[in-house]
Amino acid sequence: DGGITQSPKYLFRKEGQNVTLSCEQNLNHDAMYWYRQDPGQGLRLIYYSQIVNDFQKGDIAEGYSVSREKKESFPLTVTSAQKNPTAFYLCASSIPGQSSGNTIYFGEGSWLTVV
Amino acid sequence: AQSVAQPEDQVNVAEGNPLTVKCTYSVSGNPYLFWYVQYPNRGLQFLLKYITGDNLVKGSYGFEAEFNKSQTSFHLKKPSALVSDSALYFCAVRPPYDYQLIWGAGTKLIIKP
Repeated sequence: DGGITQSPKYLFRKEGQNVTLSCEQNLNHDAMYWYRQDPGQGLRLIYYSQIVNDFQKGDIAEGYSVSREKKESFPLTVTSAQKNPTAFYLCASSIPGQSSGNTIYFGEGSWLTVV
Repeated sequence: AQSVAQPEDQVNVAEGNPLTVKCTYSVSGNPYLFWYVQYPNRGLQFLLKYITGDNLVKGSYGFEAEFNKSQTSFHLKKPSALVSDSALYFCAVRPPYDYQLIWGAGTKLIIKP
């Protein structure tokens, strides 16, 4: 089936540890995104990438890093510099273009908890 | 500053009654408008969008939304609510010539049997 796969669904991080969330899409979308959602709150953009080997910071990039070596993959690393990483992380992708409105499609999300 | 407002944190509707979830925006030009739904512990699902044309847009699961340019609103509606419609609903707006979405804070919809 076509879609966006995020893994793991649940991840626990110890203090001072870096962790990486995986995001893979087989929709052939050019653009990919990472959002953070805190309980009871809306979405905040962490990073986005419009094309392979290029990415831009979103509104809350501090303490996070990404790479875009392949069109299908956009992993997010939560570094030890991110002091409050406990949240629900959502990966998304889209086809840029006027006719599509650049509709964004989401994966099922990953929960990250600091222990 | 450009913004999207969902003025109700929660909307309660009896099953079988019509529902409306409100969204207004403050964006210059002619933006693209979107509605998404999120069930507990899940990702967001695309419901519908307005790009141009007819002001009434039909989407998934019997939902529709009405674009009102003069009121800068894009309210989500459904003629007859189901208990299974209970979820968190997000409105999002893409300004013209911009790549990013501006998100509302979300509205929790509760449908009571």
